[in-house]
Amino acid sequence: DQQVKQNSPSLSVQEGRISILNCDYTNSMFDYFLWYKKYPAEGPTFLISISSIKDKNEDGRFTVFLNKSAKHLSLHIVPSQPGDSAVYFCAVNYNQGGKLIFGQGTELSVKP
Amino acid sequence: NAGVMQNPRHLVRRRGQEARLRCSPMKGHSHVYWYRQLPEEGLKFMVYLQKENIIDESGMPKERFSAEFPKEGPSILRIQQVVRGDSAAYFCASSKDYKETQYFGPGTRLLVL
Repeated sequence: DQQVKQNSPSLSVQEGRISILNCDYTNSMFDYFLWYKKYPAEGPTFLISISSIKDKNEDGRFTVFLNKSAKHLSLHIVPSQPGDSAVYFCAVNYNQGGKLIFGQGTELSVKP
Repeated sequence: NAGVMQNPRHLVRRRGQEARLRCSPMKGHSHVYWYRQLPEEGLKFMVYLQKENIIDESGMPKERFSAEFPKEGPSILRIQQVVRGDSAAYFCASSKDYKETQYFGPGTRLLVL
């Protein structure tokens, strides 16, 4: 049973435009949400997180939006750069700690 | 400021052999997590350890897999009698405390022939 779903396996965006990556979850008990970025042959790198008490968190070019009623979160990257090309994973957990439950990932390709 | 270290980076084993994967957490981190990524899949949690204690092993296969994080030295994920289905990338993460961000190592790619 997939508790965290990223329904788009891939996304292609032009440099300078906005990239929007989506993630859905099934369990309303999840209360902490994270995005990680992963390059081939490397480990995931933490990008940004959001607690369930917020609906938006921004860090530079990266913004995460949380819609609790829809059990949906999204990551906006603007403007997108070729160096952003990577696989993006959303992850969730309970009480901001312990095991992370990951989505399957979305491969972002930013074209010059 | 070294990050999470994992070794070896690549490991080849024949069916039936043992695999030992090592993880040294970031300095000052006492919480270690192991995740596995099968081909074309996301990362799946395996086990969460604090020094000398297993906190959550709900993702560990019931047989052949074990993990430890001794008082001194790295955390070890041990797979006995490996099978082809164990071929995957194994990632270790560490955090300073339970509610702190998990930082990942580069992974060990295990190939079972």
